[in-house]
Amino acid sequence: DIVMTQTPLSLSVTPGQPASISCKSSQSLLHSDGKTYLYWYLQKPGQSPQLLIYEVSNRFSGVPDRFSGSGSGTDFTLKISRVEAEDVGVYYCMQSIQLPRTFGQGTKVEIK
Amino acid sequence: EVQLVESGGGLVQPGGSLRLSCAASGFTFSSYSMNWVRQAPGKGLEWVSYISSSSSTIYYADSVKGRFTISRDNAKNSLYLQMNSLRDEDTAVYYCARDRWEYGDYAGLDVWGQGTTVTVSS
Repeated sequence: DIVMTQTPLSLSVTPGQPASISCKSSQSLLHSDGKTYLYWYLQKPGQSPQLLIYEVSNRFSGVPDRFSGSGSGTDFTLKISRVEAEDVGVYYCMQSIQLPRTFGQGTKVEIK
Repeated sequence: EVQLVESGGGLVQPGGSLRLSCAASGFTFSSYSMNWVRQAPGKGLEWVSYISSSSSTIYYADSVKGRFTISRDNAKNSLYLQMNSLRDEDTAVYYCARDRWEYGDYAGLDVWGQGTTVTVSS
């Protein structure tokens, strides 16, 4: 199985400041079709997870443009340009290049 | 409104069985592949099982293979998870989640239910 490793596991951010989460995979997520199957989800407190980013850098419908994803191969990053109070929760990366789909451990983002 | 609503969770003894259901509405259920994802108390997300739109392709995590069975009834817009030989470590919130495909490319789990809680304990 592909192991997804996120760092840091927790983050405390002042509103308006940037935040960055790293996700590393144990194998390349670049498929022979040229696509990279890396996704980001946010689980807000008491809620179900929600899709933020698909295929490394594509924002899902309705996701604010302060969220951006980047990376390639085995190293990926989710950035929030200016953290807002509504961004608190646990962020997960997920790979889907092979089954089983696997998630990172999660990164908890709090507001200072 | 696109919606997934899980039901069927509860308290069950180790070795027991439970059947979870996920009712879909607001979209053409028969066109989408579906998944079950679980979250143990205070833990992260774990993918459990996948079923294609026509039920022709099914996958399981190794942790549930041979004990859980995923199925769907497209006429009833419903997804199911039959869980047998339950263990303490199966205790979790179980979410059903829809696969999103965009121009033939996999684009993530875009719709999630609210989850149903399964507790395995004597």
